[in-house]
Amino acid sequence: GENVEQHPSTLSVQEGDSAVIKCTYSDSASNYFPWYKQELGKRPQLIIDIRSNVGEKKDQRIAVTLNKTAKHFSLHITETQPEDSAVYFCAATADNAGNMLTFGGGTRLMVKP
Amino acid sequence: EAGVVQSPRYKIIEKKQPVAFWCNPISGHNTLYWYLQNLGQGPELLIRYENEEAVDDSQLPKDRFSAERLKGVDSTLKIQPAELGDSAVYLCASSNTGELFFGEGSRLTVL
Repeated sequence: GENVEQHPSTLSVQEGDSAVIKCTYSDSASNYFPWYKQELGKRPQLIIDIRSNVGEKKDQRIAVTLNKTAKHFSLHITETQPEDSAVYFCAATADNAGNMLTFGGGTRLMVKP
Repeated sequence: EAGVVQSPRYKIIEKKQPVAFWCNPISGHNTLYWYLQNLGQGPELLIRYENEEAVDDSQLPKDRFSAERLKGVDSTLKIQPAELGDSAVYLCASSNTGELFFGEGSRLTVL
């Protein structure tokens, strides 16, 4: 089955700096890679996703890159703000419908004002 | 539109007691999931339903866990008897076209 590794487990940045979270996956058939943000005590919410037919996707201050050859994908947050502080989870699946997601272990991002 | 609704939000029980969690998915979502989230870890799939059919329950510990989605809408997840190691957050999610929408979760503490 799929195995998703996520690094780092914790990340502390100064407000305004950039943050990068990296994930690797094991199943070369995986073709859908979402990222979820989970604030303390709240539900995970989708913030951005990418499919294997593109290498990069951007939405305002967040972007995701995908390297299919190396089987890794990354989340980039620019101009970080205190409200970006949360746990971020990457996930992967070979199911085109987005089912059967395998999640990474999470990264706790702390943005210091 | 209401999101995925779960209850109870918090439950404290003693070991060997039974417990049940309820989930109401987003209207029209045919796919429903139950995930287990241990502290500081990512969600792990327990069971996935397509309408009323359980299409993937390979990670569900069937000796003590059971789930049902009788009419293809609401779902319940039951643990009987609960063990100390079952303390975790039980997340329900639903989807229609791929994106998962999660509920707030039910936090279980087994003493």
